[in-house]
Amino acid sequence: GAVVSQHPSWVICKSGTSVKIECRSLDFQATTMFWYRQFPKQSLMLMATSNEGSKATYEQGVEKDKFLINHASLTLSTLTVTSAHPEDSSFYICSAGAGASSDGYTFGSGTRLTVV
Amino acid sequence: DQQVKQNSPSLSVQEGRISILNCDYTNSMFDYFLWYKKYPAEGPTFLISISSIKDKNEDGRFTVFLNKSAKHLSLHIVPSQPGDSAVYFCAASARGGKLTFGQGTILTVHP
Repeated sequence: GAVVSQHPSWVICKSGTSVKIECRSLDFQATTMFWYRQFPKQSLMLMATSNEGSKATYEQGVEKDKFLINHASLTLSTLTVTSAHPEDSSFYICSAGAGASSDGYTFGSGTRLTVV
Repeated sequence: DQQVKQNSPSLSVQEGRISILNCDYTNSMFDYFLWYKKYPAEGPTFLISISSIKDKNEDGRFTVFLNKSAKHLSLHIVPSQPGDSAVYFCAASARGGKLTFGQGTILTVHP
């Protein structure tokens, strides 16, 4: 089946630094990738929709200058958390699909970000 | 505005019995519904889905029921196994594929 690889699985960084998270579709071309954020004991909240070759669409309340998304190829999307602060500490998950909603979406394994 | 709601934060079931996880939604534009299983510190794993043109979909021990008039869906797991213990999320989409998730229900299956 479809596999989505997300890296790193966990990262600790200092306040003020930037962190890049990669999401790769290993055996299919992902025209669309989604980035989610999950706080402890809460639901997955969609942050942005990333379409290959175009700008990402951000959900209301998500700062696009803080969460930079790049989807330069059909197999790779990256999320960069810029100037990270402790409140950015969270679990970030990407998902990828080939376009048809009936396929469902395959999720990456997630990245636990801790900002100290 | 929580468009997808899972009102039970947790559910405890004996091994071998049926687990019933419930989900309600408010957006009548949703036409595709999915259930995901998630372990801590991992990404969700797709379990089963159902289109709004159906009212039931079955896959092995998992069955999803959809009641469009009530805007309600449920996931039945029978027989429940200890390995089913996890957080279960329901999700819905409206054509475009963007998923809206419920808050999740923690299922614990006791041996």
